[in-house]
Amino acid sequence: NAGVTQTPKFQVLKTGQSMTLQCAQDMNHEYMSWYRQDPGMGLRLIHYSVGAGITDQGEVPNGYNVSRSTTEDFPLRLLSAAPSQTSVYFCASRRDRGTFFGQGTRLTVV
Amino acid sequence: GNSVTQMEGPVTLSEEAFLTINCTYTATGYPSLFWYVQYPGEGLQLLLKATKADDKGSNKGFEATYRKETTSFHLEKGSVQVSDSAVYFCALNYGQNFVFGPGTRLSVLP
Repeated sequence: NAGVTQTPKFQVLKTGQSMTLQCAQDMNHEYMSWYRQDPGMGLRLIHYSVGAGITDQGEVPNGYNVSRSTTEDFPLRLLSAAPSQTSVYFCASRRDRGTFFGQGTRLTVV
Repeated sequence: GNSVTQMEGPVTLSEEAFLTINCTYTATGYPSLFWYVQYPGEGLQLLLKATKADDKGSNKGFEATYRKETTSFHLEKGSVQVSDSAVYFCALNYGQNFVFGPGTRLSVLP
């Protein structure tokens, strides 16, 4: 049981490049979400999904896209990276027993 | 709206000292309250939680009591260890999403 797996762990992008942060969970959780962590601001919700085919925006959705074609996977896409998106990104999944976080992806946009 | 305020630190203590990290919240309704811990280079782990007023969450020597009258959920530990050095996040849960405080970095010196 791997829990919540995020890849990659580290990434450096140039401004304007695109990339996808991967998140997978093997716990059959319906609910998944993406947060970004910035110094002094805690974690802020970007997007979330309550099940396959259903996504919604969180507090800071601009510049990010998501899709949920399967229960297991919830990728986060940056279509045109900006320096303001330099952050640590956490994926989480949840069911009745609690919320589980991935190890995080540290993204730097130069 | 929902928000969480906590002392930002950093907090530096000697081993075996008493720890308090203050957390207050603003919320509509009756949220569940959480403390998460993030050790260096790792993701967030649930430390403890409380789901209703006057509940006390406890784990690994840490305690926090859900105080509705003061809208607080202060984290305490009677005797900290070097291994407790981490960033601690207070959070509240509304629906299936979280609102996190900014985090408090704790350093425990031997």
